[in-house]
Amino acid sequence: GQQVMQIPQYQHVQEGEDFTTYCNSSTTLSNIQWYKQRPGGHPVFLIQLVKSGEVKKQKRLTFQFGEAKKNSSLHITATQTTDVGTYFCAGPRAGNNRKLIWGLGTSLAVNP
Amino acid sequence: NAGVTQTPKFQVLKTGQSMTLQCAQDMNHEYMSWYRQDPGMGLRLIHYSVGAGITDQGEVPNGYNVSRSTTEDFPLRLLSAAPSQTSVYFCASRRTSGGAGTDTQYFGPGTRLTVL
Repeated sequence: GQQVMQIPQYQHVQEGEDFTTYCNSSTTLSNIQWYKQRPGGHPVFLIQLVKSGEVKKQKRLTFQFGEAKKNSSLHITATQTTDVGTYFCAGPRAGNNRKLIWGLGTSLAVNP
Repeated sequence: NAGVTQTPKFQVLKTGQSMTLQCAQDMNHEYMSWYRQDPGMGLRLIHYSVGAGITDQGEVPNGYNVSRSTTEDFPLRLLSAAPSQTSVYFCASRRTSGGAGTDTQYFGPGTRLTVL
């Protein structure tokens, strides 16, 4: 069945280092969304990518959607302790695009 | 706007008990959904609704019922709780009922449920 995989599962960085998480889908996606969940919190929408090869930036965060629309990445430049949390990608399920299929997330820990 | 609200925040049940998790949104969103989140399993869709009176199953619907009598409310019912239903439950909503990813999805703060 359709799968969305994220790597790495966990990442520890020193504050100031860069961080990247990758999202790979087994099928072509019409769009992909990224969410952040702080420890003990709920997922919060970050961004949506729709176009092949799209790149969007939010301050220190850079999001990319692959040319084949099967993979995506989130890059954080110069991490801060406020970046701690789990980052999820999600895309519409094939056959019923009203459902989102989620990756398992990448948990980021930042050492001050 | 309060956004998406959920009650209760925490709940402990005994096996076999029933209960209803409440979810409400004040943004006039068409689409509402329920997820469960378990360690190592990510977010899994239980049920969703594209408008009042219309509900459909998600990926893990067994053991749960939903109804949507109003645009604002989307309660989740556990008919006979089992330890396997111990989880964190999130309600979410978005403005339109079209394809996922067409607009922002907003999550409630969650209900942490333990079934003994």
